Amino acid sequence: GQNIDQPTEMTATEGAIVQINCTYQTSGFNGLFWYQQHAGEAPTFLSYNVLDGLEEKGRFSSFLSRSKGYSYLLLKELQMKDSASYLCAVKGYSTLTFGKGTMLLVSP
Amino acid sequence: EAQVTQNPRYLITVTGKKLTVTCSQNMNHEYMSWYRQDPGLGLRQIYYSMNVEVTDKGDVPEGYKVSRKEKRNFPLILESPSPNQTSLYFCASSLRAGNSPLHFGNGTRLTVT
Repeated sequence: GQNIDQPTEMTATEGAIVQINCTYQTSGFNGLFWYQQHAGEAPTFLSYNVLDGLEEKGRFSSFLSRSKGYSYLLLKELQMKDSASYLCAVKGYSTLTFGKGTMLLVSP
Repeated sequence: EAQVTQNPRYLITVTGKKLTVTCSQNMNHEYMSWYRQDPGLGLRQIYYSMNVEVTDKGDVPEGYKVSRKEKRNFPLILESPSPNQTSLYFCASSLRAGNSPLHFGNGTRLTVT
């Protein structure tokens, strides 16, 4: 099975940079996803990493270290609309297991 | 528009009354899955399907059934709902079970009294 750990809550200021960490222990690894979920809405896909390194997509970047069982999501130039829950999810052979999510609050 | 459609959005029912939550996708996706989301527990997988007529248990399958008779539909059946199944349910699909991202439906908020 998989065990995924991420902080419960984080706060940051508009315009700043924030890093959300995710650590995992897994018996099988086929990639790591990050999703964003606004309150009362469905999760939406942000990024996917399967090889070590950094993937950049506009203001969002995601990093993976398979040897350390570690990933982070980096959000730059924070905007108020980035206030949401960020879900780390680890892909096994056929199942996708989600962490409990990190609630990010962006303040003016 | 490419989407995953769940119905109903809200449902209040009583213990023991069988119910079905429908899920349909129009993207010709092979992989479909059901999750429930509870405060403090995150998203937990109930059942998934790799393709037509192929279904498998996720992490919390007890009390649920699914079927995949057609590629586009993946209904979730609660034969005898109980209050501990009160939750927010999401259906999701992806092109394949590999590195394809999941597309989620808008959710079904179920209350069992």
